[in-house]
Amino acid sequence: EAQVTQNPRYLITVTGKKLTVTCSQNMNHEYMSWYRQDPGLGLRQIYYSMNVEVTDKGDVPEGYKVSRKEKRNFPLILESPSPNQTSLYFCASSLFLAAPDEQYFGPGTRLTVT
Amino acid sequence: ELKVEQNPLFLSMQEGKNYTIYCNYSTTSDRLYWYRQDPGKSLESLFVLLSNGAVKQEGRLMASLDTKARLSTLHITAAVHDLSATYFCAVSVQGAQKLVFGQGTRLTINP
Repeated sequence: EAQVTQNPRYLITVTGKKLTVTCSQNMNHEYMSWYRQDPGLGLRQIYYSMNVEVTDKGDVPEGYKVSRKEKRNFPLILESPSPNQTSLYFCASSLFLAAPDEQYFGPGTRLTVT
Repeated sequence: ELKVEQNPLFLSMQEGKNYTIYCNYSTTSDRLYWYRQDPGKSLESLFVLLSNGAVKQEGRLMASLDTKARLSTLHITAAVHDLSATYFCAVSVQGAQKLVFGQGTRLTINP
């Protein structure tokens, strides 16, 4: 089954404790992206990757890091989480963003930073 | 900077009625997406609109794109309760690999 998986689905942590949210897709997609969803703001793009070792900032990259060492994986790293990073996070992938192709979204990770 | 605005943000309607959600964007773009999100769930792709005048329909939902007006509409015909969800439009930034989302429209359809 074609899918995007994220882990963990729920995470409560404390300020400053490094964490990683994993994202994996099994569709051989080139493009992967991370979004955060906050009430009233829709989804905002954090980082995206067009291929292995190619990443770039979205609209809200501060406080986040990503890496793309393998095509299927695109982890999101919070080196020193803060309460304003409490949010619902989605990973997404598509064949190419420029193609007439939909994006497939993962199930989401709800992060709470206290 | 590309801005995407949806209206209304909240919509409560009766079953059987028709209504339209609007998505306005501020700069030239080459594609527009509509997504559906059920409470506590992920986003599900509904439509991808690629050119001026594009119209796509799936069941009771129809989406259209007017690139000159920088406007997309999502029309709901004879609404049914199962269509209750939050609907997002998203616009790609021309020449870049980014998507910018609207705030979302929370649609509640009452029996």
